[in-house]
Amino acid sequence: DGGITQSPKYLFRKEGQNVTLSCEQNLNHDAMYWYRQDPGQGLRLIYYSQIVNDFQKGDIAEGYSVSREKKESFPLTVTSAQKNPTAFYLCASRRAGTNTGELFFGEGSRLTVL
Amino acid sequence: EDQVTQSPEALRLQEGESSSLNCSYTVSGLRGLFWYRQDPGKGPEFLFTLYSAGEEKEKERLKATLTKKESFLHITAPKPEDSATYLCAVQGPQAGTALIFGKGTTLSVSS
Repeated sequence: DGGITQSPKYLFRKEGQNVTLSCEQNLNHDAMYWYRQDPGQGLRLIYYSQIVNDFQKGDIAEGYSVSREKKESFPLTVTSAQKNPTAFYLCASRRAGTNTGELFFGEGSRLTVL
Repeated sequence: EDQVTQSPEALRLQEGESSSLNCSYTVSGLRGLFWYRQDPGKGPEFLFTLYSAGEEKEKERLKATLTKKESFLHITAPKPEDSATYLCAVQGPQAGTALIFGKGTTLSVSS
């Protein structure tokens, strides 16, 4: 079945450590996105990529980094520079070239900083 | 600045008690308005896309409508399994850019 796989589902990190969240899709979508969700908040855009080897910052990119070396993969690294990293992270994808295609989401990764 | 506001933040209904959720938006050149359902600890699940004022879409007990300033998600005779957070999002004028989300309405339906 086609879909988006995020891993790990739960992750615990000590302060000062970098962590990488995985996002893989087999939908043959060109565009991929990372959102952050906090309780009582809407989804906020961290980074997005519309094509391999290219990506753009979203509204809250500080303290995060991404890469897009393959069409299927868009990993997110939460660095020690991110001041409040505890959150629910969602990866999504969409067919490029569509006017307004919907986003398909993964099941999310919950990061907790101890 | 493009913005999406959802109301109410939370809504409690009895089974069978119909109601509506509101999504008001400010965006220069709307290219699409999206409704998603999100269960606790899960990723959002796509429900509807609306493109132009006057458009309506239906799925089971849900019906989404769109005007030039807002969208409504009508829930007819809800059941407990309709309990979830409903998210509204808009696509601005630049194709390919990310969606802008509201904070959501958390719906609880009791039997």
